[in-house]
Amino acid sequence: DTAVSQTPKYLVTQMGNDKSIKCEQNLGHDTMYWYKQDSKKFLKIMFSYNNKELIINETVPNRFSPKSPDKAHLNLHINSLELGDSAVYFCASSHPLAGGETQYFGPGTRLLVL
Amino acid sequence: SQQGEEDPQALSIQEGENATMNCSYKTSINNLQWYRQNSGRGLVHLILIRSNEREKHSGRLRVTLDTSKKSSSLLITASRAADTASYFCASNNYGQNFVFGPGTRLSVLP
Repeated sequence: DTAVSQTPKYLVTQMGNDKSIKCEQNLGHDTMYWYKQDSKKFLKIMFSYNNKELIINETVPNRFSPKSPDKAHLNLHINSLELGDSAVYFCASSHPLAGGETQYFGPGTRLLVL
Repeated sequence: SQQGEEDPQALSIQEGENATMNCSYKTSINNLQWYRQNSGRGLVHLILIRSNEREKHSGRLRVTLDTSKKSSSLLITASRAADTASYFCASNNYGQNFVFGPGTRLSVLP
């Protein structure tokens, strides 16, 4: 009955590889987000999707691409992984009818690039 | 650039004491929220205060907002060991993205 789930929880990979992180929410929310939290705990938004439309795209490298097959899922694809991509990636969702004001976060995916 | 800033970066107190954390932001906001993150977990929403509110309570939590100083504070009263976590403020600017601060790491010692 997890509201926002992410897989995998841990991801260890080599530089140059391509990987994906999946996110699913069962809250019926219209907007989903991806955040990156670095080693200093700074949390920075990467993308948000509303009804399958990208509405925010912060200045992240185009190696990162969000994919939303339906409004319950927002997956993150990362191409040509670099050492600096090592971080914890969080998925979140919110609902505009509730003011879009409260975000529900997934447990995070810890990515380590070697 | 990082907009939200929490202060202090780390706080260590004894169980039963009160913990106060501060947050500053740079732009005008629609609302400001506080989140808690336990070690190795995702963020959990604690409380939201709107720009036209000055103070809000929720259980042992008390949040204040001073829009003239662009600052907010979170007070946790009668702290417990289970309150040990990182606390983040997030400013929301009228439909724009949420801007999170770097967080305050709170340790409540038994």
